[in-house]
Amino acid sequence: GAVVSQHPSRVICKSGTSVKIECRSLDFQATTMFWYRQFPKQSLMLMATSNEGSKATYEQGVEKDKFLINHASLTLSTLTVTSAHPEDSSFYICSASALEEYSYEQYFGPGTRLTVT
Amino acid sequence: GDSVTQMEGPVTLSEEAFLTINCTYTATGYPSLFWYVQYPGEGLQLLLKATKADDKGSNKGFEATYRKETTSFHLEKGSVQVSDSAVYFCALSDSLGYSTLTFGKGTMLLVSP
Repeated sequence: GAVVSQHPSRVICKSGTSVKIECRSLDFQATTMFWYRQFPKQSLMLMATSNEGSKATYEQGVEKDKFLINHASLTLSTLTVTSAHPEDSSFYICSASALEEYSYEQYFGPGTRLTVT
Repeated sequence: GDSVTQMEGPVTLSEEAFLTINCTYTATGYPSLFWYVQYPGEGLQLLLKATKADDKGSNKGFEATYRKETTSFHLEKGSVQVSDSAVYFCALSDSLGYSTLTFGKGTMLLVSP
């Protein structure tokens, strides 16, 4: 099956620093990757959709200068949280889209727990 | 726009009890429907899916039937185990060509021995 990895799984950083999270599709090429944010005991909130070789499409209310997304290859997308603050602490999950039979499906990474102190 | 409504949790059951988690949706066109499971501290795993009306998705003893007439995709399992304790998300995807998912709010299932 399609496998998506994320690195790191957990990261603690100081307020004001930047953190990069990687999302990789290990055994398939993904033209589209998605980034989600999940608050405790809540559903996933789509932050942005990333297509290889083009600019990401951000959802309303998500600051593109705060959450930088790069999708440089068909197997790698990165999310950089710039000038992180404690309110950015959250669980970030990526997914990668692959064509399965007649429709596209999303395969999810294991998530990255970000804690900003 | 598209939306998914799931029953609120937590759902608390004893081992071997019957499980139903309700899910209804609103969508234009012919969406695909999914159930995902999230174990504590982990990402989402696809549990089962159905891509057209009357399809039944099944996996690991769980099943759900795509009911277009009632716009529902209820998750059921005949006999739950402690290891089934997790959060379950119902989701839909719009039609072919793009796979943006719309999630329900999730339902926590707690199974006690």
